[in-house]
Amino acid sequence: GAVVSQHPSWVICKSGTSVKIECRSLDFQATTMFWYRQFPKQSLMLMATSNEGSKATYEQGVEKDKFLINHASLTLSTLTVTSAHPEDSSFYICSAKSRDTEAFFGQGTRLTVV
Amino acid sequence: GQNIDQPTEMTATEGAIVQINCTYQTSGFNGLFWYQQHAGEAPTFLSYNVLDGLEEKGRFSSFLSRSKGYSYLLLKELQMKDSASYLCAVTDSNYQLIWGAGTKLIIKP
Repeated sequence: GAVVSQHPSWVICKSGTSVKIECRSLDFQATTMFWYRQFPKQSLMLMATSNEGSKATYEQGVEKDKFLINHASLTLSTLTVTSAHPEDSSFYICSAKSRDTEAFFGQGTRLTVV
Repeated sequence: GQNIDQPTEMTATEGAIVQINCTYQTSGFNGLFWYQQHAGEAPTFLSYNVLDGLEEKGRFSSFLSRSKGYSYLLLKELQMKDSASYLCAVTDSNYQLIWGAGTKLIIKP
């Protein structure tokens, strides 16, 4: 099946710094990429949807200036958590899909802000 | 609004059969997915239904009734490794994925 690679798998950063998470579709062109956040024992929460070459669409309550999403090509999207704080500690997951296929997920990134 | 309902938690016995239901109300419909998610890991794809009926794939089967806005995931010959959360997701008319909250399945020996 299709492969989506997410990097890094885990990261620890100091409060106030920024962290970039990459999501790559390795063997298909992803017309749409999704970024999710998941807190322990809770369901996936969609943060934003991005289509290649256009600005991301953020879900209500998600700060676009804090969670910067760039989808510059059909195989790469990045999520940058700016000025991270301990409450941003979470499991971040990307997924990528073409129009008529299922979504393929990256491995997830566990972010811990200290 | 868009809504997907599935039970919060279910318990079943190793070797048995369990059915996890999912009902949905969305703006348009372009397919329903079932994913399995083990704790601390990303979800993995299980099945995709876009037409009414039953799709069988080994020990797992998924059923869809579009007129009823209803799907179920059937797991047979349960194994301990099947303990996980099972997520139902629907693609709406804009091809956006709408997620259910997930059903935590606990398998007992």
